[in-house]
Amino acid sequence: DAKTTQPPSMDCAEGRAANLPCNHSTISGNEYVYWYRQIHSQGPQYIIHGLKNNETNEMASLIITEDRKSSTLILPHATLRDTAVYYCIVKAAGGTSYGKLTFGQGTILTVHP
Amino acid sequence: DGGITQSPKYLFRKEGQNVTLSCEQNLNHDAMYWYRQDPGQGLRLIYYSQIVNDFQKGDIAEGYSVSREKKESFPLTVTSAQKNPTAFYLCASSNPGQSSYEQYFGPGTRLTVT
Repeated sequence: DAKTTQPPSMDCAEGRAANLPCNHSTISGNEYVYWYRQIHSQGPQYIIHGLKNNETNEMASLIITEDRKSSTLILPHATLRDTAVYYCIVKAAGGTSYGKLTFGQGTILTVHP
Repeated sequence: DGGITQSPKYLFRKEGQNVTLSCEQNLNHDAMYWYRQDPGQGLRLIYYSQIVNDFQKGDIAEGYSVSREKKESFPLTVTSAQKNPTAFYLCASSNPGQSSYEQYFGPGTRLTVT
């Protein structure tokens, strides 16, 4: 699995967009980018994933650069409840590493009033 | 409501005792997983099961055991052989194939062994 690099922490004002970057310069052509978040003392929550096209759902948008070496998770209007640790994970679908998510340290996002 | 339940939320045990953590899902998912999280760290995979009556070791299976007799249930036993069992334990489930990385997590069980 490709290694990912995320900033350890970020701040954001409530109501503003939160842009969380992730570098994955060694990503392979069949590897997807997944984002999860974990609010304190809770289980992680799946947010979004993508291969090469930008993706949007009710929670967030995922922007993947054309060379796929980096991506940005965008929370368009951050609220205090978005304060959490955000994990960027790169995985190839299927294969021998079936379902084995590897969570790194992630980015601690703090949303301020 | 569909989801994953883990019980209890907090569990305390004396050293040398085996303890079983419960995980139940009503999402009709084939695959289930157990992770361990230590303070300030990411999650590490203990065991996973792709289908009933089958399970595989994850990255840190030593000192743990599981069973998968029903699709809905995947209990984890922390044995006395686990050298450092105090941790936050998370159960997850998913559909197989390409969706295997879209995992739904339970609320977790915080185990303290003294």
